[in-house]
Amino acid sequence: DTGVSQDPRHKITKRGQNVTFRCDPISEHNRLYWYRQTLGQGPEFLTYFQNEAQLEKSRLLSDRFSAERPKGSFSTLEIQRTEQGDSAMYLCASSILTGAVTEAFFGQGTRLTVV
Amino acid sequence: AQTVTQSQPEMSVQEAETVTLSCTYDTSESDYYLFWYKQPPSRQMILVIRQEAYKQQNATENRFSVNFQKAAKSFSLKISDSQLGDAAMYFCAYQSGNQFYFGTGTSLTVIP
Repeated sequence: DTGVSQDPRHKITKRGQNVTFRCDPISEHNRLYWYRQTLGQGPEFLTYFQNEAQLEKSRLLSDRFSAERPKGSFSTLEIQRTEQGDSAMYLCASSILTGAVTEAFFGQGTRLTVV
Repeated sequence: AQTVTQSQPEMSVQEAETVTLSCTYDTSESDYYLFWYKQPPSRQMILVIRQEAYKQQNATENRFSVNFQKAAKSFSLKISDSQLGDAAMYFCAYQSGNQFYFGTGTSLTVIP
């Protein structure tokens, strides 16, 4: 296992189209996060899974956004009816829930451009 | 609400010199964790150093060390003997419970 992987790395789409991103976390990690990062900003939390359960969603996650983690392994983030304001880097991170502190491991991100 | 503030959008340092990046945070929690992440251009974010809030001793990882002042809610990163490969965006992050909160980042330039 080489870490968190995200696919695709880049996506260009026309406004109004739907897009779906995939994240494969580190295999033994039970926590999975989605973040959005725009230029000059730090990552903003979107949603969080523990195993297959989506436990928390940000107010940033409008009803056009949906995320799933059906078997507690990989996750998908779908954006429906994309808008230009959705253009950003979408980051996935995973971590493992243990008694000790553990950092989040990040993927390389999917850069979305809505034209 | 938890917030993380990095007041230095950009910093520069001469190669081999020392630089300190600032971070403050706001929380009402007593148990939390703090991290510095490095994000090189077009590359993924990687952990530089972590600090548990219950530990008084400042964390150190080779050339990287922190100055953790819990009462002041300050968590600065010191990079000693700066190298060209240290050039990147640096993000301070706070974790409590399920979420990580990130600052807006400091862009570090290393001058040869």
